Amino acid sequence: SQTIHQWPATLVQPVGSPLSLECTVEGTSNPNLYWYRQAAGRGLQLLFYSVGIGQISSEVPQNLSASRPQDRQFILSSKKLLLSDSGFYLCAWRRGVAGESYEQYFGPGTRLTVT
Amino acid sequence: AQSVSQHNHHVILSEAASLELGCNYSYGGTVNLFWYVQYPGQHLQLLLKYFSGDPLVKGIKGFEAEFIKSKFSFNLRKPSVQWSDTAEYFCAVNAMTGGFKTIFGAGTRLFVKA
Repeated sequence: SQTIHQWPATLVQPVGSPLSLECTVEGTSNPNLYWYRQAAGRGLQLLFYSVGIGQISSEVPQNLSASRPQDRQFILSSKKLLLSDSGFYLCAWRRGVAGESYEQYFGPGTRLTVT
Repeated sequence: AQSVSQHNHHVILSEAASLELGCNYSYGGTVNLFWYVQYPGQHLQLLLKYFSGDPLVKGIKGFEAEFIKSKFSFNLRKPSVQWSDTAEYFCAVNAMTGGFKTIFGAGTRLFVKA
Protein backbone atom coordinates (compact mmCIF):
# COMPACT_ATOMS: atom_id res chain seq x y z
CA SER A 1 0.00 0.00 0.00
CA GLN A 2 1.02 3.58 -0.52
CA THR A 3 1.88 6.00 2.24
CA ILE A 4 2.87 9.64 2.28
CA HIS A 5 5.02 11.28 4.91
CA GLN A 6 5.61 14.90 5.76
CA TRP A 7 7.96 16.43 8.24
CA PRO A 8 8.19 18.22 10.42
CA ALA A 9 4.65 18.21 11.78
CA THR A 10 5.01 21.65 13.29
CA LEU A 11 7.60 24.36 12.85
CA VAL A 12 8.15 27.79 14.36
CA GLN A 13 10.64 29.94 12.49
CA PRO A 14 11.67 33.60 12.74
CA VAL A 15 11.15 36.01 9.88
CA GLY A 16 14.08 35.93 7.46
CA SER A 17 15.12 32.37 8.27
CA PRO A 18 15.25 29.60 5.65
CA LEU A 19 12.67 26.86 5.28
CA SER A 20 12.75 23.26 4.15
CA LEU A 21 9.70 21.01 4.30
CA GLU A 22 9.98 17.47 3.05
CA CYS A 23 7.46 15.06 1.62
CA THR A 24 8.07 11.46 0.61
CA VAL A 25 5.79 8.85 -0.90
CA GLU A 26 6.18 5.10 -0.54
CA GLY A 27 4.67 2.23 -2.46
CA THR A 28 4.29 3.84 -5.86
CA SER A 29 6.48 5.08 -8.67
CA ASN A 30 6.43 8.17 -10.87
CA PRO A 31 3.65 9.89 -8.95
CA ASN A 32 2.46 13.41 -9.60
CA LEU A 33 3.31 15.45 -6.51
CA TYR A 34 1.70 18.58 -5.14
CA TRP A 35 2.24 21.24 -2.48
CA TYR A 36 -0.81 23.08 -1.16
CA ARG A 37 -1.28 25.73 1.49
CA GLN A 38 -4.47 25.55 3.50
CA ALA A 39 -5.80 28.72 5.07
CA ALA A 40 -9.02 29.02 7.02
CA GLY A 41 -11.90 30.03 4.77
CA ARG A 42 -9.74 29.94 1.67
CA GLY A 43 -9.53 26.27 0.96
CA LEU A 44 -6.47 24.67 -0.54
CA GLN A 45 -4.22 26.88 -2.60
CA LEU A 46 -2.10 24.96 -5.09
CA LEU A 47 1.50 26.14 -4.81
CA PHE A 48 3.55 23.72 -6.91
CA TYR A 49 3.14 20.46 -8.73
CA SER A 50 5.58 18.05 -10.33
CA VAL A 51 5.11 15.32 -12.91
CA GLY A 52 8.67 14.01 -12.72
CA ILE A 53 12.14 14.42 -11.28
CA GLY A 54 13.36 17.96 -11.72
CA GLN A 55 10.05 19.09 -13.26
CA ILE A 56 8.33 21.78 -11.21
CA SER A 57 5.35 23.94 -12.12
CA SER A 58 4.65 26.99 -10.00
CA GLU A 59 1.11 28.18 -9.58
CA VAL A 60 1.61 31.20 -7.37
CA PRO A 61 4.58 33.59 -7.62
CA GLN A 62 5.83 34.06 -4.10
CA ASN A 63 8.58 33.59 -1.63
CA LEU A 64 8.62 29.81 -1.93
CA SER A 65 10.23 27.29 -4.24
CA ALA A 66 9.96 23.54 -4.73
CA SER A 67 12.30 20.81 -5.86
CA ARG A 68 11.99 17.14 -6.69
CA PRO A 69 15.45 15.57 -6.38
CA GLN A 70 14.13 12.00 -6.42
CA ASP A 71 11.08 10.30 -7.87
CA ARG A 72 9.19 10.13 -4.58
CA GLN A 73 10.61 13.14 -2.78
CA PHE A 74 9.21 16.65 -2.93
CA ILE A 75 10.71 19.57 -1.03
CA LEU A 76 9.26 23.00 -0.32
CA SER A 77 11.81 25.70 0.44
CA SER A 78 12.32 29.34 1.13
CA LYS A 79 15.51 31.37 1.48
CA LYS A 80 13.90 33.99 3.73
CA LEU A 81 10.55 33.47 5.40
CA LEU A 82 7.92 36.18 5.61
CA LEU A 83 5.18 36.49 8.18
CA SER A 84 2.67 35.80 5.41
CA ASP A 85 4.23 32.36 4.86
CA SER A 86 2.60 31.11 8.05
CA GLY A 87 0.03 28.43 7.36
CA PHE A 88 -0.71 24.75 7.03
CA TYR A 89 1.18 23.06 4.21
CA LEU A 90 -0.08 19.89 2.65
CA CYS A 91 1.71 17.52 0.32
CA ALA A 92 -0.30 15.24 -1.95
CA TRP A 93 0.34 12.63 -4.60
CA ARG A 94 -1.63 11.20 -7.47
CA ARG A 95 -0.99 8.35 -9.87
CA GLY A 96 0.93 9.62 -12.85
CA VAL A 97 -0.46 7.19 -15.40
CA ALA A 98 -2.89 8.64 -17.93
CA GLY A 99 -6.37 7.25 -17.53
CA GLU A 100 -5.84 6.30 -13.93
CA SER A 101 -7.85 7.77 -11.13
CA TYR A 102 -7.13 11.43 -10.53
CA GLU A 103 -7.91 11.38 -6.86
CA GLN A 104 -5.22 12.75 -4.64
CA TYR A 105 -3.84 11.34 -1.42
CA PHE A 106 -2.79 13.81 1.22
CA GLY A 107 -0.13 13.81 3.87
CA PRO A 108 -0.65 14.87 7.50
CA GLY A 109 0.54 18.41 6.86
CA THR A 110 3.02 20.81 8.45
CA ARG A 111 1.87 23.70 10.60
CA LEU A 112 4.32 26.57 9.98
CA THR A 113 4.34 29.64 12.20
CA VAL A 114 6.62 32.49 11.24
CA THR A 115 7.32 34.83 14.15
CA ALA B 1 -9.13 29.57 -15.58
CA GLN B 2 -10.91 26.97 -13.54
CA SER B 3 -12.56 27.94 -10.29
CA VAL B 4 -14.69 26.22 -7.69
CA SER B 5 -17.31 27.93 -5.57
CA GLN B 6 -18.76 26.47 -2.40
CA HIS B 7 -21.87 28.26 -1.31
CA ASN B 8 -21.71 27.89 2.44
CA HIS B 9 -18.65 28.41 4.58
CA HIS B 10 -20.26 27.32 7.83
CA VAL B 11 -23.22 25.03 8.37
CA ILE B 12 -24.71 23.99 11.69
CA LEU B 13 -27.21 21.13 11.81
CA SER B 14 -28.82 18.95 14.41
CA GLU B 15 -28.41 15.19 14.22
CA ALA B 16 -30.80 13.49 11.80
CA ALA B 17 -31.20 16.66 9.74
CA SER B 18 -30.63 16.45 6.01
CA LEU B 19 -27.54 17.97 4.47
CA GLU B 20 -26.89 19.56 1.12
CA LEU B 21 -23.66 21.42 0.39
CA GLY B 22 -23.50 23.36 -2.83
CA CYS B 23 -20.60 23.34 -5.27
CA ASN B 24 -20.31 25.04 -8.62
CA TYR B 25 -17.35 25.08 -10.95
CA SER B 26 -16.35 27.07 -13.97
CA TYR B 27 -14.92 25.07 -16.82
CA GLY B 28 -16.56 24.22 -20.11
CA GLY B 29 -14.85 20.95 -20.90
CA THR B 30 -14.83 17.47 -19.45
CA VAL B 31 -14.14 17.37 -15.74
CA ASN B 32 -13.54 14.99 -12.91
CA LEU B 33 -15.27 16.07 -9.71
CA PHE B 34 -14.47 15.26 -6.11
CA TRP B 35 -15.58 15.83 -2.58
CA TYR B 36 -12.92 15.55 0.09
CA VAL B 37 -13.45 15.60 3.84
CA GLN B 38 -11.18 16.56 6.70
CA TYR B 39 -12.28 15.29 10.09
CA PRO B 40 -10.81 17.05 13.12
CA GLY B 41 -7.20 16.01 13.55
CA GLN B 42 -7.18 13.75 10.49
CA HIS B 43 -5.79 13.81 6.98
CA LEU B 44 -7.79 15.17 4.10
CA GLN B 45 -9.42 12.15 2.46
CA LEU B 46 -11.64 11.37 -0.51
CA LEU B 47 -15.37 11.19 0.18
CA LEU B 48 -16.56 10.48 -3.35
CA LYS B 49 -15.74 11.19 -6.99
CA TYR B 50 -17.36 11.49 -10.38
CA PHE B 51 -15.56 10.50 -13.58
CA SER B 52 -18.24 9.48 -16.03
CA GLY B 53 -21.49 7.55 -16.32
CA ASP B 54 -24.24 7.82 -13.72
CA PRO B 55 -24.28 11.44 -12.52
CA LEU B 56 -25.44 10.33 -9.07
CA VAL B 57 -22.44 8.99 -7.23
CA LYS B 58 -22.32 7.41 -3.83
CA GLY B 59 -19.46 7.67 -1.42
CA ILE B 60 -18.51 6.56 2.03
CA LYS B 61 -20.63 7.01 5.15
CA GLY B 62 -23.91 7.49 3.31
CA PHE B 63 -22.89 10.55 1.31
CA GLU B 64 -23.89 11.06 -2.30
CA ALA B 65 -23.43 13.79 -4.88
CA GLU B 66 -25.16 14.65 -8.11
CA PHE B 67 -23.38 16.02 -11.15
CA ILE B 68 -25.62 18.37 -13.13
CA LYS B 69 -23.64 19.32 -16.20
CA SER B 70 -26.04 22.03 -17.36
CA LYS B 71 -25.68 23.79 -14.02
CA PHE B 72 -21.95 23.13 -13.58
CA SER B 73 -22.83 21.80 -10.16
CA PHE B 74 -21.80 18.89 -7.97
CA ASN B 75 -23.77 19.17 -4.75
CA LEU B 76 -23.12 16.89 -1.80
CA ARG B 77 -26.02 15.36 0.11
CA LYS B 78 -26.74 13.15 3.06
CA PRO B 79 -30.29 12.37 4.19
CA SER B 80 -29.53 12.18 7.90
CA VAL B 81 -26.35 13.56 9.44
CA GLN B 82 -24.62 12.27 12.53
CA TRP B 83 -22.46 14.02 15.09
CA SER B 84 -19.48 12.19 13.59
CA ASP B 85 -20.01 14.03 10.29
CA THR B 86 -18.63 17.18 11.89
CA ALA B 87 -15.77 18.08 9.56
CA GLU B 88 -14.65 20.39 6.80
CA TYR B 89 -15.78 19.47 3.29
CA PHE B 90 -14.02 20.48 0.09
CA CYS B 91 -15.28 20.30 -3.45
CA ALA B 92 -12.60 19.90 -6.13
CA VAL B 93 -12.40 19.86 -9.92
CA ASN B 94 -9.86 18.40 -12.27
CA ALA B 95 -10.17 19.52 -15.88
CA MET B 96 -9.35 16.61 -18.14
CA THR B 97 -7.43 18.74 -20.58
CA GLY B 98 -5.58 20.37 -17.72
CA GLY B 99 -4.55 16.98 -16.48
CA PHE B 100 -2.37 17.64 -13.55
CA LYS B 101 -4.08 20.37 -11.59
CA THR B 102 -6.93 19.91 -9.18
CA ILE B 103 -8.63 23.09 -8.03
CA PHE B 104 -10.30 23.15 -4.62
CA GLY B 105 -13.13 25.22 -3.25
CA ALA B 106 -12.81 27.27 -0.07
CA GLY B 107 -14.38 24.53 2.03
CA THR B 108 -17.49 24.24 4.19
CA ARG B 109 -17.23 23.67 7.91
CA LEU B 110 -20.06 21.47 9.10
CA PHE B 111 -20.91 21.24 12.78
CA VAL B 112 -23.49 18.67 13.80
CA LYS B 113 -25.09 19.16 17.20
CA ALA B 114 -25.74 15.98 19.16
